[in-house]
Amino acid sequence: EAGVTQFPSHSVIEKGQTVTLRCDPISGHDNLYWYRRVMGKEIKFLLHFVKESKQDESGMPNNRFLAERTGGTYSTLKVQPAELEDSGVYFCASSQGLAGGAPRELFFGEGSRLTVL
Amino acid sequence: RKEVEQDPGPFNVPEGATVAFNCTYSNSASQSFFWYRQDCRKEPKLLMSVYSSGNEDGRFTAQLNRASQYISLLIRDSKLSDSATYLCVVPTGGGNKLTFGTGTQLKVEL
Repeated sequence: EAGVTQFPSHSVIEKGQTVTLRCDPISGHDNLYWYRRVMGKEIKFLLHFVKESKQDESGMPNNRFLAERTGGTYSTLKVQPAELEDSGVYFCASSQGLAGGAPRELFFGEGSRLTVL
Repeated sequence: RKEVEQDPGPFNVPEGATVAFNCTYSNSASQSFFWYRQDCRKEPKLLMSVYSSGNEDGRFTAQLNRASQYISLLIRDSKLSDSATYLCVVPTGGGNKLTFGTGTQLKVEL
């Protein structure tokens, strides 16, 4: 079974440009998450989709970030315009539905490394 | 106080040694906890879940101390392949999102 896949694995762009990251979750996983790790810092939550709906987007840094999950399948995270501080590794993760309130295991993709120059 | 705190290390230990990491959390209402392992430039992968007082899986033991609000991970008979960063993770926001510690780096040497 395919795991969580992310594209691109690495993107180098200039400040002010736009980048779109894509995530394909494990088939059948309703929950899809975006996380980010900035160098030297911990992995931080960005947002959570349940199917096509945004369940929690409290971690999104600002309105330059836009996440979508049309049809409840793959998701995209667009950064427009990119700033230097957006550099980091963007991880996508997916999981099955919550069971009795207990969170299930999150399966992570290998991440998309973004470098903004 | 950070929601999840870990000693970043690195912990350099010889092969065969026993090593323990601690993690403290701030939310006393947290019910479940996780240890994830992350290899260099790879994704985090679940190592162990802790829902009650502790959990054991082979050479790995996770313990929970609710009174002191810390979780520990004990690795016995460490192997070279155990070298990685170990992330302490606590569900927050009703369990829908995970809060990560900065991770503890372990290097097992010959």
